[in-house]
Amino acid sequence: QSALTQPASVSGSPGQSITMSCIGTSRDVGGYNYVSWYQQFPGKAPKLMIYDVSNRPSGVSSRFSGSKSGNTASLTISGLQAEDEADYYCSSYSSGSTHWLFGGGTKLTVL
Amino acid sequence: EVQLVESGGGLVQPGGSLRLSCAASGFTFSSLWMSWVRQAPGKGLEWVANIKQDGGEKYYADSVKGRFTISRDNAKNSLYLQMNSLRAEDTAMYYCARDQAFTRDYWGRGTLVTVSS
Repeated sequence: QSALTQPASVSGSPGQSITMSCIGTSRDVGGYNYVSWYQQFPGKAPKLMIYDVSNRPSGVSSRFSGSKSGNTASLTISGLQAEDEADYYCSSYSSGSTHWLFGGGTKLTVL
Repeated sequence: EVQLVESGGGLVQPGGSLRLSCAASGFTFSSLWMSWVRQAPGKGLEWVANIKQDGGEKYYADSVKGRFTISRDNAKNSLYLQMNSLRAEDTAMYYCARDQAFTRDYWGRGTLVTVSS
């Protein structure tokens, strides 16, 4: 079962907004509102940033937002800051035999 | 404060076995599903398995089905992953994660498993 598809890298300047995508199928991203996004710094554990497509856990900056259209989920970071530079992973529930899928990750570079 | 602390990783030969443990604290362990997620060196995240509150339901990724077994001991607030018939491609950092509804909201720092001769 294929992982979700994410761009390998995105970049932006401080203060700008960036959007990264997560492409799945109707059996996962498109079929359920159970998309999550995680932020990971090198050598650290992942941190939950968005759950159920567009909900932010307590303590996560409002600069982070999520959305979904069809089989594609998106994470938008507004007012980009240097501290946002990290790897970002999407995840979705799947009706396939492997119930939870992750994307390959997107490396965000703040120029 | 929610804490998840993994242990049991190490170097093991191909075909060998290893048992990982995860000690949970700061929440009612017996009330939530729990998961194992792994990350090969320089690679992305891969969900491995999860288990229901009472241990009555368990689900596995296709890549580990039949070789790995997830279990829990609610009296000890502990989660386990028994890994048998290990392969080089199982080399990864293994994270314990708390399932909250349809997401993993807290993660441990991980324990490294290296499969090599």
